[in-house]
Amino acid sequence: DVKVTQSSRYLVKRTGEKVFLECVQDMDHENMFWYRQDPGLGLRLIYFSYDVKMKEKGDIPEGYSVSREKKERFSLILESASTNQTSMYLCASSPTLTGFTEAFFGQGTRLTVV
Amino acid sequence: DQQVKQNSPSLSVQEGRISILNCDYTNSMFDYFLWYKKYPAEGPTFLISISSIKDKNEDGRFTVFLNKSAKHLSLHIVPSQPGDSAVYFCAASEAGTYKYIFGTGTRLKVLA
Repeated sequence: DVKVTQSSRYLVKRTGEKVFLECVQDMDHENMFWYRQDPGLGLRLIYFSYDVKMKEKGDIPEGYSVSREKKERFSLILESASTNQTSMYLCASSPTLTGFTEAFFGQGTRLTVV
Repeated sequence: DQQVKQNSPSLSVQEGRISILNCDYTNSMFDYFLWYKKYPAEGPTFLISISSIKDKNEDGRFTVFLNKSAKHLSLHIVPSQPGDSAVYFCAASEAGTYKYIFGTGTRLKVLA
């Protein structure tokens, strides 16, 4: 079974802190994604990566950066956390470049910024 | 601009009856469509998909229908069970773009 693991289920951080969310997948997938889920807004793409050290902005990249130094690991970085970044963060991976396959999601990280 | 829309935020259905969840899209370049199910405090899990060369795909109790001319897809669950109560997201992808665009979700409640 494909496994996508996010390092934390719940996090509470203070405004202005630098926050790292880590994600690891164990199926040698090419693509990895970071989404956030908010009520009434669905899943919105923050960043994705189609190869090591490659990244592309999604629909809402402002206030975030990412790092992919190894194929299995994709990190989301909140440079200076703000209360409007309180959300459920979801990491996903998929095996191909064509999109004709499903993405596999981690269990999510509920981040609260106070 | 919302490229994938789920216009019904919620739906309630009696156990044993059919649940029909709808999704509309605006981008005619989308060629692969997926449905995910999500329980609270968990990540979404893949349910069923359909490529644009088909108009129907069936997997057990779940059937997805695609109407390309109307840019509309639907998920039918028959018979509905209380364990189906969750939020359902439709998603779309365009070959070569890598990414999946999700709708806003529909919360399904199956009443026992």
